[in-house]
Amino acid sequence: KQEVTQIPAALSVPEGENLVLNCSFTDSAIYNLQWFRQDPGKGLTSLLLIQSSQREQTSGRLNASLDKSSGRSTLYIAASQPGDSATYLCAVPSFYRGYQKVTFGTGTKLQVIP
Amino acid sequence: DTEVTQTPKHLVMGMTNKKSLKCEQHMGHRAMYWYKQKAKKPPELMFVYSYEKLSINESVPSRFSPECPNSSLLNLHLHALQPEDSALYLCASSPNQMFSTDTQYFGPGTRLTVL
Repeated sequence: KQEVTQIPAALSVPEGENLVLNCSFTDSAIYNLQWFRQDPGKGLTSLLLIQSSQREQTSGRLNASLDKSSGRSTLYIAASQPGDSATYLCAVPSFYRGYQKVTFGTGTKLQVIP
Repeated sequence: DTEVTQTPKHLVMGMTNKKSLKCEQHMGHRAMYWYKQKAKKPPELMFVYSYEKLSINESVPSRFSPECPNSSLLNLHLHALQPEDSALYLCASSPNQMFSTDTQYFGPGTRLTVL
């Protein structure tokens, strides 16, 4: 059974700081990993999708890396802004009874202080 | 069009009400999913539909009744819910079915409150 853990659970940083969010998964036989953002009371916004054959994926100030062998992914946010405040979830799909099942991490709640 | 839409965005219902959540995609995807997300918890899988047939039911109580009337539409019928069923209900779809590595696309969710 795939288990996904995110550390830290909460993070508070001053505006402008670079930061790293961590995601660990127990079953390294994954075919991709996705990072989502969730604002309070809202749905999921997809940020980055990394295929298992990739090591990194970049979008603007966001950079996600994937190390399958160690069961880890990191989300790097450069020059953080108050608008980055949200909960960040990593998600790993796997086959469950033959069908896809996405297992989400426990989330990191980020607060960027102006 | 790479969008999954869900209606309504918000729903408040009493424990004796009957209501339905709707999910729609026009990407030609043949697998559709319902997830439930309680406050401060990650989303958890409820149902999987493949080619309009229910393939997985994660031991969800019968007061939740899914329906897939066609390949673009997924409903979740709600009846006699409990306050603890209050949550964000997320719909997702993916292109294919068994052993597919295609990405799931998520809708914005319906925020359900049961009084």
